[in-house]
Amino acid sequence: GESVGLHLPTLSVQEGDNSIINCAYSNSASDYFIWYKQESGKGPQFIIDIRSNMDKRQGQRVTVLLNKTVKHLSLQIAATQPGDSAVYFCAEIPNYGGSQGNLIFGKGTKLSVKP
Amino acid sequence: EAQVTQNPRYLITVTGKKLTVTCSQNMNHEYMSWYRQDPGLGLRQIYYSMNVEVTDKGDVPEGYKVSRKEKRNFPLILESPSPNQTSLYFCASSFYPGTEAFFGQGTRLTVV
Repeated sequence: GESVGLHLPTLSVQEGDNSIINCAYSNSASDYFIWYKQESGKGPQFIIDIRSNMDKRQGQRVTVLLNKTVKHLSLQIAATQPGDSAVYFCAEIPNYGGSQGNLIFGKGTKLSVKP
Repeated sequence: EAQVTQNPRYLITVTGKKLTVTCSQNMNHEYMSWYRQDPGLGLRQIYYSMNVEVTDKGDVPEGYKVSRKEKRNFPLILESPSPNQTSLYFCASSFYPGTEAFFGQGTRLTVV
C-alpha cells in the first residue's frame, strides 16, 4: 500500500549545526504535507506545512523542501538547539479537498542535539 | 488558551471492562479524530468526525466506537478492551479536513 516513510530513524547533531530530516512519500496524489514535532510525553505539535504547488516554504528557523519528482520531503532546522530534541514526523494528506482529511504519518525520526 | 484536552492521561484496565477516553476542544473546530501511536507503526487514525453526528472509520477502527453529540467533544469508547489495544492514544482537531491538526496530550492505555 501507499505510505509515508522516513530515511533515517535517528539523527544526532551538534548544537548550533543545521539539521536535515528526510521523508519519502509514495502517494503521488498527495497535495498537502505537514511536519510535526513530538516531544517526550506530549502530543504532536505542528511545525510547518507545504502544498504541492510549492517546492519550498520557510518558517522561523525551519524550512521545508518538497521534491515532487522524486516524492521527497525534507525539514531543515537552522542552528539546532537542545529544545529541538524530539521525534519529527512528516504527514501527508492525499487528495486534499476531496478526502476525509486523513493524515498519514511517517514512522518518525528522533533528533538528538548534543550540547 | 486554545487546546485539546484528553482524560485520563493514564489508564490501566482489565480485558473486557468497558472504558471511555474523553476528548474536548475549545477552538470550535469541526473536524476531530482519534489516533493510536505504537512503536514502529507511528500514528494511525482510528476514527474521525467531520461534524456533529457525522463520524467515520479511519485506518484501524476495529474494537473502537466514537460519538459526536456536541461539537467540542469526541469520546473514544472501548466496549470490550483487549491487550492489543494497549497503546498511546491521541485526539486531534482542526478547522476542516486536511489542515493543521491540534493534538491533545495523549492517553496511555494499558489493558491487562
